[in-house]
Amino acid sequence: GENVEQHPSTLSVQEGDSAVIKCTYSDSASNYFPWYKQELGKGPQLIIDIRSNVGEKKDQRIAVTLNKTAKHFSLHITETQPEDSAVYFCAAGNRDDKIIFGKGTRLHILP
Amino acid sequence: GAVVSQHPSWVICKSGTSVKIECRSLDFQATTMFWYRQFPKQSLMLMATSNEGSKATYEQGVEKDKFLINHASLTLSTLTVTSAHPEDSSFYICSAPKSNQPQHFGDGTRLSIL
Repeated sequence: GENVEQHPSTLSVQEGDSAVIKCTYSDSASNYFPWYKQELGKGPQLIIDIRSNVGEKKDQRIAVTLNKTAKHFSLHITETQPEDSAVYFCAAGNRDDKIIFGKGTRLHILP
Repeated sequence: GAVVSQHPSWVICKSGTSVKIECRSLDFQATTMFWYRQFPKQSLMLMATSNEGSKATYEQGVEKDKFLINHASLTLSTLTVTSAHPEDSSFYICSAPKSNQPQHFGDGTRLSIL
């Protein structure tokens, strides 16, 4: 089955700087790679996703890149703001089927 | 607004009781729903896939007799934690894929067993 590794587990960046979170996956059949933001006591909220036929996708300050050959994908947040502080999860799978989550990254934005 | 609703959001009960958690798709039909469990400061672990009109598919290591799943309608899946014990205390989250859209997650149910 699918296995998703996520790094780092904790990340602290100065407000205004960029944050990068990286994930790898194991199953070459996975074709859907969402990223979720989870705040305390809430379910995960989708922030961006990418499908395997695309190498990069951007939505304002958030971008995701995918390297299918290496089975790597990354989340990039630019111009970080205090409200970006949360736990971020990558996941891999198929959009209408089950997705497997990485272990999460706790992002701290320092004032 | 929310498209997947979970109820209750928080439940506290005594050890040995059974607890039912509901997951509803609000404006779409979901033939499949997914149940996850999340322990504090850990990731979401997929427990099972709930299939409308048929048996759920459980992930390895998840006891199907302990975690009963029923998906009797196209908008409702239920997870019943039977004879709950303190080690079952966790955050349970459901999700449902909506046609041509990413999976939508509920806000979770925090289960505390005393």
